[in-house]
Amino acid sequence: GAVVSQHPSRVICKSGTSVKIECRSLDFQATTMFWYRQFPKQSLMLMATSNEGSKATYEQGVEKDKFLINHASLTLSTLTVTSAHPEDSSFYICSAGIVRNTEAFFGQGTRLTVV
Amino acid sequence: SQQGEEDPQALSIQEGENATMNCSYKTSINNLQWYRQNSGRGLVHLILIRSNEREKHSGRLRVTLDTSKKSSSLLITASRAADTASYFCATEGRGGSNYKLTFGKGTLLTVNP
Repeated sequence: GAVVSQHPSRVICKSGTSVKIECRSLDFQATTMFWYRQFPKQSLMLMATSNEGSKATYEQGVEKDKFLINHASLTLSTLTVTSAHPEDSSFYICSAGIVRNTEAFFGQGTRLTVV
Repeated sequence: SQQGEEDPQALSIQEGENATMNCSYKTSINNLQWYRQNSGRGLVHLILIRSNEREKHSGRLRVTLDTSKKSSSLLITASRAADTASYFCATEGRGGSNYKLTFGKGTLLTVNP
């Protein structure tokens, strides 16, 4: 099956710094990737749709200047959490698909802790 | 926005028993998918059922879909302690972005040995 690799799996950063999370499709090209956020014991909330070669589409209520998304190639999307605050601490997961109406493939997730 | 609602939110059963989880949604869909998540880990795809299908099986899993009621159920038969995890339904809506999934709130399943 297709593999989506997300890195890092865990990161701790200081308030005010920026953190970059990478999402790679290892064996297929992904023109579209998705970034989700998950709070403890809660569901996944879609943050944004990452589009290769164009601007990301953000969901309502998600600050685009705080969560910068870059999809510079067909196999890599990055999420940068800028000027991180403790309330940004969460589990972030990316996904990508190959063909519509088939399963999506998820990265392993990144646990971000802002101290 | 989250449109899926699973129930129950939490389910505790004994090994060997069957576990049934339900999911409801609000809009028209292309398909409905079930995923499993172990604590602090990524999501594992379990099964996908298309809007024109009513029932699907995969090993110990059985999924039903009722588009008239906008609901689905996931049955895990002969449960094992290793089935302990959170289970989410996710819907792919008609139109819009490819592969964009809307997740339900999830059911935390605990299977006691």
